[in-house]
Amino acid sequence: DVKVTQSSRYLVKRTGEKVFLECVQDMDHENMFWYRQDPGLGLRLIYFSYDVKMKEKGDIPEGYSVSREKKERFSLILESASTNQTSMYLCASSSLNEGASNYGYTFGSGTRLTVV
Amino acid sequence: AQSVTQLDSQVPVFEEAPVELRCNYSSSVSVYLFWYVQYPNQGLQLLLKYLSGSTLVKGINGFEAEFNKSQTSFHLRKPSVHISDTAEYFCAVSESGGSYIPTFGRGTSLIVHP
Repeated sequence: DVKVTQSSRYLVKRTGEKVFLECVQDMDHENMFWYRQDPGLGLRLIYFSYDVKMKEKGDIPEGYSVSREKKERFSLILESASTNQTSMYLCASSSLNEGASNYGYTFGSGTRLTVV
Repeated sequence: AQSVTQLDSQVPVFEEAPVELRCNYSSSVSVYLFWYVQYPNQGLQLLLKYLSGSTLVKGINGFEAEFNKSQTSFHLRKPSVHISDTAEYFCAVSESGGSYIPTFGRGTSLIVHP
């Protein structure tokens, strides 16, 4: 029962290409997040969203943008891919309800992006 | 703002031995605490969490953790590990009543040897 789905597991793109990473959740969560994960650096927050059409910058937003047109879908866009954006990208969602028994992040399986 | 320290970057252990992965946090307010596991080339999966109530929390795959408020710790334990427990483990903390943007530790790589 997959609950957060990332459209691609592995992706290879060329420098300068516009890249779209898609994430869909089926848990009716308000919050959605994009992280990148690199060896030795842990998880770094790129962007997050609390609601449809709303977005907030995380710790490393430069070179990225996001789109949330529907509650269940949160897209990460690399406007002009560069080799230093080669990384594992993780999408996550969570409920706003702190009292809920399922409170916490649910992650997708990740997209390993290589920019050549 | 909160912070999380995972004291060991790598923990090697033999199969069927007990293991403890250490996590300390700092925060000026009440917190929620989480442990996640990441198997190679996969996303993170929730192992267990502390929201309130009993300080001893049991999770999936035989793992448990104890919230110690005075020592600001949330160490993860398993009495007998299997080869299949080899993975990266992340501790995370978020502040109750806050925006719920958790802070993650850098991760601990658990390596189980036969």
